[in-house]
Amino acid sequence: AQSVAQPEDQVNVAEGNPLTVKCTYSVSGNPYLFWYVQYPNRGLQFLLKYITGDNLVKGSYGFEAEFNKSQTSFHLKKPSALVSDSALYFCAVRALNTGFQKLVFGTGTRLLVSP
Amino acid sequence: DVKVTQSSRYLVKRTGEKVFLECVQDMDHENMFWYRQDPGLGLRLIYFSYDVKMKEKGDIPEGYSVSREKKERFSLILESASTNQTSMYLCASSNWDRAGVNTEAFFGQGTRLTVV
Repeated sequence: AQSVAQPEDQVNVAEGNPLTVKCTYSVSGNPYLFWYVQYPNRGLQFLLKYITGDNLVKGSYGFEAEFNKSQTSFHLKKPSALVSDSALYFCAVRALNTGFQKLVFGTGTRLLVSP
Repeated sequence: DVKVTQSSRYLVKRTGEKVFLECVQDMDHENMFWYRQDPGLGLRLIYFSYDVKMKEKGDIPEGYSVSREKKERFSLILESASTNQTSMYLCASSNWDRAGVNTEAFFGQGTRLTVV
């Protein structure tokens, strides 16, 4: 069965510093991997995805993520954090080799960027 | 610009009531989903639909049903609301790509349901 782990409930970082939000996954076969962001009382917004190709994926708002097959990880990164990046971040995975592909989400990581 | 619209942002219902949550998408997407979001549990899939009048159970379908009479609309029904169904409900839609795999999902703004 597919699963996603986000080991940190919260990540704290100062504005201007680099940030990393961790995600590891488990799936049979090749994965589709996604990051979404949720601002307070809002739905989820798509940030970026990995399907195939370059292991470094660039997305919206200056975010990027690195796919590491040997470590089964897909960590979200940004070189310089902004206070406005403070939000809840979800990693999600879908397997490519099953019937109707369900998207499985992690439990979320709250990012708090301090001024 | 893609748009998934949920009919209510906030709802308060009484135990035992029948509750309808409505979702409309304007992207002509084939696939639609209902998730519930609870702290510490992330998003859990309730039901999904890959075509009009088609529905499939997700991971937590008990106590819920769905209806998809038109492509753009996907309704979640709580047959008899209970307090443990107090949650944030999120609707999403996606489409198929050339490989027959559904693309990234686009989400509505969510409905926060409180059952008292």
